[in-house]
Amino acid sequence: DQQVKQNSPSLSVQEGRISILNCDYTNSMFDYFLWYKKYPAEGPTFLISISSIKDKNEDGRFTVFLNKSAKHLSLHIVPSQPGDSAVYFCAAGYTSGSARQLTFGSGTQLTVLP
Amino acid sequence: DGGITQSPKYLFRKEGQNVTLSCEQNLNHDAMYWYRQDPGQGLRLIYYSQIVNDFQKGDIAEGYSVSREKKESFPLTVTSAQKNPTAFYLCASKDEVWGYTFGSGTRLTVV
Repeated sequence: DQQVKQNSPSLSVQEGRISILNCDYTNSMFDYFLWYKKYPAEGPTFLISISSIKDKNEDGRFTVFLNKSAKHLSLHIVPSQPGDSAVYFCAAGYTSGSARQLTFGSGTQLTVLP
Repeated sequence: DGGITQSPKYLFRKEGQNVTLSCEQNLNHDAMYWYRQDPGQGLRLIYYSQIVNDFQKGDIAEGYSVSREKKESFPLTVTSAQKNPTAFYLCASKDEVWGYTFGSGTRLTVV
């Protein structure tokens, strides 16, 4: 049972345009959400996060939106750059759990075309 | 320069052998994690440890074992009981909040 789902395995976007990556979750206990970026043969690196008390968090070209009622979050990258081409994972956890484990989605391969 | 180091980067194992993947961190993090990544799938949790001398099974612990004798080290042994061990293995450590740091991974291939 996948608690975090990224239904689009891949996305191609033209350089300079907006990239929108989507993520859905089923566990209503999740109250913290993160996005990671991963290049081949490397570990994921943290990109941006959002707590469930917010509905938007922005960091430069990256913005994460959270819709708790729909159990949906999205990552917007504006403008997209070729260096953004990577696999993007969304992850979710809950702060009441002492271990603060993360549950990951299956990832979306973003390709930004020059 | 604080970080987390996994070794080796590539590992080949014959069927029926046990192999141990190394994970070392100098971030002074209490919590450490092992994940497995397969093509088209997310990272799945194998084992985690919140403190020295303590560890817990994750979602796919069967065929794996770990130890946590030192805060800095969290080695993962892939035993011969693991039916499909070929995968990319990621180790991570975490600060007191949500600050996960991942290693660069070990690709294990059974030959």
